Amino acid sequence: EDQVTQSPEALRLQEGESSSLNCSYTVSGLRGLFWYRQDPGKGPEFLFTLYSAGEEKEKERLKATLTKKESFLHITAPKPEDSATYLCAVGTDYKLSFGAGTTVTVRA
Amino acid sequence: NAGVTQTPKFQVLKTGQSMTLQCAQDMNHEYMSWYRQDPGMGLRLIHYSVGAGITDQGEVPNGYNVSRSTTEDFPLRLLSAAPSQTSVYFCASSEPGSPGYTFGSGTRLTVV
Repeated sequence: EDQVTQSPEALRLQEGESSSLNCSYTVSGLRGLFWYRQDPGKGPEFLFTLYSAGEEKEKERLKATLTKKESFLHITAPKPEDSATYLCAVGTDYKLSFGAGTTVTVRA
Repeated sequence: NAGVTQTPKFQVLKTGQSMTLQCAQDMNHEYMSWYRQDPGMGLRLIHYSVGAGITDQGEVPNGYNVSRSTTEDFPLRLLSAAPSQTSVYFCASSEPGSPGYTFGSGTRLTVV
């Protein structure tokens, strides 16, 4: 059974203070690692998929990286609008196992 | 495009009642899934479908039924509601080879 653990549970940042979120996983064979963003009261929004160790993807102030055991989501110079819960998941296009998420709060 | 539409947005049920959560997508996606989200536990897969007429169980299927008679619709049926089914339910769809689900906005269900 696939397992995903995210840390920390919550992260409070000052605007411009860069940081990283961790996602460690245990799978029998990695098919894909997914990052989503979720705002309060809304459904998750897709950010990235990574498939193999060493792969990196970027979108604005977010950068996702992947090793054989974990993934990091780096937030560079965050702004208040980056405040959200970030979810990590492993699996396929139709069947994912999610972590509990990291809630990021960015103060102006 | 509306994307993935879930109805209702909120629902209160009494223990033992049955109901159907509706999910419709207008993107002609082949894959559709149902998840529930509980505090501190993340999203857990209930049932999924890889095409019309094909469904399978996820991690937490007990107490729920699904069917997929068309590509667009994937309703989730609660047979006899229990307080343990109080949760936020999300429907999602995706296309083979196109990474990432499109999620609906969720149904918040309370069973009293």
